[in-house]
Amino acid sequence: NAGVTQTPKFRILKIGQSMTLQCTQDMNHNYMYWYRQDPGMGLKLIYYSVGAGITDKGEVPNGYNVSRSTTEDFPLRLELAAPSQTSVYFCASSPRARDSHGYTFGSGTRLTVV
Amino acid sequence: AQKITQTQPGMFVQEKEAVTLDCTYDTSDPSYGLFWYKQPSSGEMIFLIYQGSYDQQNATEGRYSLNFQKARKSANLVISASQLGDSAMYFCAMREKGSNDYKLSFGAGTTVTVRA
Repeated sequence: NAGVTQTPKFRILKIGQSMTLQCTQDMNHNYMYWYRQDPGMGLKLIYYSVGAGITDKGEVPNGYNVSRSTTEDFPLRLELAAPSQTSVYFCASSPRARDSHGYTFGSGTRLTVV
Repeated sequence: AQKITQTQPGMFVQEKEAVTLDCTYDTSDPSYGLFWYKQPSSGEMIFLIYQGSYDQQNATEGRYSLNFQKARKSANLVISASQLGDSAMYFCAMREKGSNDYKLSFGAGTTVTVRA
């Protein structure tokens, strides 16, 4: 039972480079989310998806893009990386909008932009 | 405005004692949910406990209990009989209906250090 799998676990990017953070879940959850966690802070929602083909912006979407072509995958794309995007990125999923267990989180991707 | 406020950046607790972590929230959604997550130093987010806005009784899960005071918009987490493994960051989160759908908002977290 893999749950939510994120790759890579660590990455260093140079300013202006691009990359895709991968997120896959094997629980057939409709809802998927991308959060970022800055040092010593709580999580902020970047983008979310309520099902394949449907995505929407969260609280801090600037500088990111997402796609949801399948139920399982929800990649996060960073274009033109900036130092302000240095953070830990968490992908999460949920079977429904209102679930009493909240979200299942991946183990995170620690990204440093230099 | 902050939706979730955790006013205690860090706390120390003696092993086997209880500790209360404060959380206040702000929402106009009558049907909201409150969650607590634990984040150990390894970084993963672990679900601990849930309280629905219409739940009549305070939620409990093993050594975790949620002191829900709806009128005060307060959802404090109580950890009883603290263990060394409880040392971690703890986040309060709220699920409410936004413009399009339900989403979780997180507080800034409280770091708990359990002393032997």
